[in-house]
Amino acid sequence: QQPVQSPQAVILREGEDAVINCSSSKALYSVHWYRQKHGEAPVFLMILLKGGEQKGHEKISASFNEKKQQSSLYLTASQLSYSGTYFCGTEKWDSNSGYALNFGKGTSLLVTP
Amino acid sequence: GAVVSQHPSRVICKSGTSVKIECRSLDFQATTMFWYRQFPKKSLMLMATSNEGSKATYEQGVEKDKFLINHASLTLSTLTVTSAHPEDSSFYICSASLKQGNQPQHFGDGTRLSIL
Repeated sequence: QQPVQSPQAVILREGEDAVINCSSSKALYSVHWYRQKHGEAPVFLMILLKGGEQKGHEKISASFNEKKQQSSLYLTASQLSYSGTYFCGTEKWDSNSGYALNFGKGTSLLVTP
Repeated sequence: GAVVSQHPSRVICKSGTSVKIECRSLDFQATTMFWYRQFPKKSLMLMATSNEGSKATYEQGVEKDKFLINHASLTLSTLTVTSAHPEDSSFYICSASLKQGNQPQHFGDGTRLSIL
């Protein structure tokens, strides 16, 4: 089941903050966050495993709520290099193939000077 | 560490050609590799999960005879798009993780396939 991401797109000025949300109707094993720049492969940012967990550093961090149904990615004092599309991925398990990720539709973030 | 190499990065070929894309884990052994397809400005769509030494598991709606996956070793998985047609044009990306579950996925650089 594909997680739901919001917003679809954000435009920021350098130095502004943004929050990207990822939610599911069911409790999740974990939540992954990736950033993809145009024409490039996604790059891993972080993974959250436990309900109530917060992770990351001052500039880019994420949280996972207690029920493990929602995660938020926080971008603080944004820099031009933060521009890209952010995807959350949620793990699913299949008896034949094991674990795999379902990605949300992505949030396009543009940071302007 | 955890580098995944994908080759080729760009393919342009005629309709009816079969195209093979390679995905290699360079510095680790990947029991499982994943193949995704991505349309412009869209999300990553999981096509199949490739397990070393066994048949790939395909997602619903993905034709296994069209997209042949082979995972012959712990460091190499290949995706062959057979008899490609213009509608197969897309960005194909592979990924691998160090082990099953709760692990980051490391992506190859992707292959942009254009079928004329």
